This record gives sequence, structure tokens and C-alpha cells, in this order.
Amino acid sequence: DTEVTQTPKHLVMGMTNKKSLKCEQHMGHRAMYWYKQKAKKPPELMFVYSYEKLSINESVPSRFSPECPNSSLLNLHLHALQPEDSALYLCASSQRDRGNEKLFFGSGTQLSVL
Amino acid sequence: GENVEQHPSTLSVQEGDSAVIKCTYSDSASNYFPWYKQELGKGPQLIIDIRSNVGEKKDQRIAVTLNKTAKHFSLHITETQPEDSAVYFCAASSRSSYKLIFGSGTRLLVRP
Repeated sequence: DTEVTQTPKHLVMGMTNKKSLKCEQHMGHRAMYWYKQKAKKPPELMFVYSYEKLSINESVPSRFSPECPNSSLLNLHLHALQPEDSALYLCASSQRDRGNEKLFFGSGTQLSVL
Repeated sequence: GENVEQHPSTLSVQEGDSAVIKCTYSDSASNYFPWYKQELGKGPQLIIDIRSNVGEKKDQRIAVTLNKTAKHFSLHITETQPEDSAVYFCAASSRSSYKLIFGSGTRLLVRP
């Protein structure tokens, strides 16, 4: 099973709303990621959790707040977003294979900020 | 830091023909090169990968080649089918790094 599950698939929110994106994997992977992808662009790394600790934060605005409750779950809390934050948000998990991280992505949450 | 360039940005082929997508990387420390396929409305799917100690790897109709000296790697798809139509991303990373550097993507269209 190489599945990363993301919910919801679609989300529309206003600039004053608070919402959360959820991600789950049961592959025993110890690293989990949030990426942001704009249309016709490659994914951009936002956060990396390794062994449930925040390992990388790519200077993401504080209106995005990640949380890793346990090794299988990853959340992204959203607050006071801007229309330019509309994008596909991808979760990924990875396994270390001969020294390199092999990433597996979920299907993403398509977010629209009005 | 690492930079990955990918060409072409769009590629249109007739069903049954071959397709080749090329990438160039800049960091000599990069040693792992995965390729992802992204269909509309879905997340990127890992389709094949190669390490710097290998020159070529095949999996059915897809193959990847790596020229470490020239810092080039390429994806080859033979006998293309309409379901191969998607956006393909190359990427590079180094040992023990969580950062995957993506190319800009190639939109492949296979015409029936």
C-alpha cells in the first residue's frame, strides 16, 4: 500500500475563515511533507516533519500552521489566507532508500480563497 | 543550490511513437533522480527513479538514462498510449536531504 490520503479534496474559504487540511499515511514512513502547487508549476516545498518534529520550514507565512499529531497524521491549519494562496496543496510521505528519501504524494486539496 | 532545467515544456506525439524528456542538474552532490507523472486533478506519481551509480534503468515502456559527467538525465517512453498524456516532472536530490528539486515540467500529449 503506497497511499497517502488527503481530505478534503476541494475547499473554498473566505479570507477570515479558519480551516484545516488533513493527511494520513499508513506506510510507516517517518517523514511527511506539505507542498504547494500553482497551476502549470512544479510543487514547492513548504514544511517537512521528520520523526514528528518540524525539520524544515521554507519561510512560509504564519497564516499556514503545520501540525504532526503522530507519525501517521499531518495537518495544515489555515487562517486569514489571501486569494494568492489559492493552489493545490499536496501532502507527501517518504521512506529512506539507500540514503535518499523516496517521496509518495497524495492527490491534494484544491484550495480556493475568496 | 541545486537547479534543475527541463525540456521541452510541451511535447505532442502520435500514439505509438516514442517521447523523450530531458533534464539537466547543476549540483554534483545530487545522486538521486526520480521522475513523476501528474494527471489532471491528481498528485504527482513516482514512475521511475535512478541513482548516480547507474547509467540506465528500464521498467516496461519507460526508461531513464543518466550521464553523470554531463549532468544530464532523460526519460524515454516507447510505444506511447493516450493514457501517457500527463505532466511529467524530473527531480534531483542529494543523500540525506529532504529537499527534492523539481524541473519545470513537460506537458505530454499523445494523439490517438
